Amino acid sequence: DAGVIQSPRHEVTEMGQEVTLRCKPISGHDYLFWYRQTMMRGLELLIYFNNNVPIDDSGMPEDRFSAKMPNASFSTLKIQPSEPRDSAVYFCASRRTGGNSPLHFGNGTRLTVT
Amino acid sequence: AQSVTQLGSHVSVSEGALVLLRCNYSSSVPPYLFWYVQYPNQGLQLLLKYTTGATLVKGINGFEAEFKKSETSFHLTKPSAHMSDAAEYFCAVSKDSSYKLIFGSGTRLLVRP
Repeated sequence: DAGVIQSPRHEVTEMGQEVTLRCKPISGHDYLFWYRQTMMRGLELLIYFNNNVPIDDSGMPEDRFSAKMPNASFSTLKIQPSEPRDSAVYFCASRRTGGNSPLHFGNGTRLTVT
Repeated sequence: AQSVTQLGSHVSVSEGALVLLRCNYSSSVPPYLFWYVQYPNQGLQLLLKYTTGATLVKGINGFEAEFKKSETSFHLTKPSAHMSDAAEYFCAVSKDSSYKLIFGSGTRLLVRP
């Protein structure tokens, strides 16, 4: 079990550029979550998928943010155009259906927008 | 709607002392409750969880938590702190097994030698 894999670990970009964050969930997990962590706002749920279908995107800040899950083993979170206030650590997490199934987190992508 | 309140953004204890991290929740239905730990530059790891059954839940690294419905609390404890326990701890709530987790704001545990 390789765990949830996120790439890149660090991303530095200039304001206005497009940023794409990637996530590979644990095989067999049918829920995938994207969280954002900042000092000011803590951990915020942005969006989650069940069986590749977006279920709740109410946490997505604005139209500049979009997420896709084209198949069970891959998801992207895109920011276009990026702004300095988007600087944060973005986490992907996955879990199986079932009452006792825990959420497994990746190590995150630290995004810095200058 | 579910929500979680963690009292104290920072808690400092001496090595060997009792650790107590507080978590209160609000939920319109019987909740699922979790504690996660985050070490620097890492993702969150599950410490323990309460779903149903016994209200005292034991987790990894000697931590435990007790679900108290009457107090709407799920405080995390460890009898004796170790230097390696220094990390940030998050309480989370979910209304059922298929629902999203709502996290508290986190408590940073500092352990003094």
